[in-house]
Amino acid sequence: DQQVKQNSPSLSVQEGRISILNCDYTNSMFDYFLWYKKYPAEGPTFLISISSIKDKNEDGRFTVFLNKSAKHLSLHIVPSQPGDSAVYFCAASAGGGSNYKLTFGKGTLLTVNP
Amino acid sequence: NAGVTQTPKFQVLKTGQSMTLQCAQDMNHEYMSWYRQDPGMGLRLIHYSVGAGITDQGEVPNGYNVSRSTTEDFPLRLLSAAPSQTSVYFCASSPRTLYGYTFGSGTRLTVV
Repeated sequence: DQQVKQNSPSLSVQEGRISILNCDYTNSMFDYFLWYKKYPAEGPTFLISISSIKDKNEDGRFTVFLNKSAKHLSLHIVPSQPGDSAVYFCAASAGGGSNYKLTFGKGTLLTVNP
Repeated sequence: NAGVTQTPKFQVLKTGQSMTLQCAQDMNHEYMSWYRQDPGMGLRLIHYSVGAGITDQGEVPNGYNVSRSTTEDFPLRLLSAAPSQTSVYFCASSPRTLYGYTFGSGTRLTVV
């Protein structure tokens, strides 16, 4: 039973437009959420996170939104750039940010076309 | 500034062979973990350690052993390799916060 779901295996957007990547979770104990970006032949790199006490967190072009009632979060990238093309993983943790066991989604391949 | 270093980058094993995947970090992070990534799957936690001398099982621990004798090193041992263990393995480390969770570049293992 997958506790973190990324239902879109891939997404293609034009450069300069908004990219929206979605993630759903089923475990109500999750209280901290992270997004990682992964290029081929590299390890995942941390992008942005959000605690369940917030509903939005921004970092430059990246914004994560959390809807706890829907158990849904999304990552917005504005404006999208070709260098953003990568696989994006949503991850979740339970335990107030002190639990280091992450549960990952399957990932979404984002392609930003010039 | 090496971060998290994994060796080897590639390895081919025969079924039944044993080997150790090495992981070292130079950031004095307390927490270290091993994940595996299979095609079309997210990363799944194999084993983790919250400090030297302390290890625990993750989601998919069967067939793997770990130890943490120092803060810097967290090797992953495959006891008797099986084709189902063909995967890309990632080691990660973190200080006492999820924000600084850093991954290595991975070891691609093929078991034939």
